[in-house]
Amino acid sequence: GAVVSQHPSWVICKSGTSVKIECRSLDFQATTMFWYRQFPKQSLMLMATSNEGSKATYEQGVEKDKFLINHASLTLSTLTVTSAHPEDSSFYICSARRTNSYNEQFFGPGTRLTVL
Amino acid sequence: QKEVEQDPGPLSVPEGAIVSLNCTYSNSAFQYFMWYRQYSRKGPELLMYTYSSGNKEDGRFTAQVDKSSKYISLFIRDSQPSDSATYLCAMSLIQGAQKLVFGQGTRLTINP
Repeated sequence: GAVVSQHPSWVICKSGTSVKIECRSLDFQATTMFWYRQFPKQSLMLMATSNEGSKATYEQGVEKDKFLINHASLTLSTLTVTSAHPEDSSFYICSARRTNSYNEQFFGPGTRLTVL
Repeated sequence: QKEVEQDPGPLSVPEGAIVSLNCTYSNSAFQYFMWYRQYSRKGPELLMYTYSSGNKEDGRFTAQVDKSSKYISLFIRDSQPSDSATYLCAMSLIQGAQKLVFGQGTRLTINP
């Protein structure tokens, strides 16, 4: 149990285009999902917290107009990187927290984004 | 000063050795402490989850939390080559947004 999937697993796009990444909890309901960014050999940095049916809460320094998050159901959250640039190239990882569970987060396999 | 400090390594040990991984932190309000294992280009996998101070054992893995020293450890006994990965400590507050704060991660290699 507690499986989280991400799609796509990797994507290459041209500068200026938008990319959507999906995060799904496959066998549990997740009221809250988190989006992280990870640069090579560095730790995960939280970008935003997304709650089902409400607006996401962004961490300081993260542009909410650039990284659009939608959490329309208890099993799906999406991150859209708008007008992507090479500096947005990174490993994006989502996690999902079971409804009524405070601290156990289950992570997806990540999406590697390369912007040319 | 980072909220959570973790020696990035790399750490290389022979198979069968006991491995000790550590993190220190500055925020005494942290109550939940976790260890994650991350293989290259994969998402982190939860290994151990502890609340407040004390020890927790699961198979070859033991997690220790010393809140008075703001210090947590993960011990791996009888280490195997398959244990080669990056190990991340993470912690969170008892209340609030429940967001995790991660250490930098320690790259561990177990040599056959």
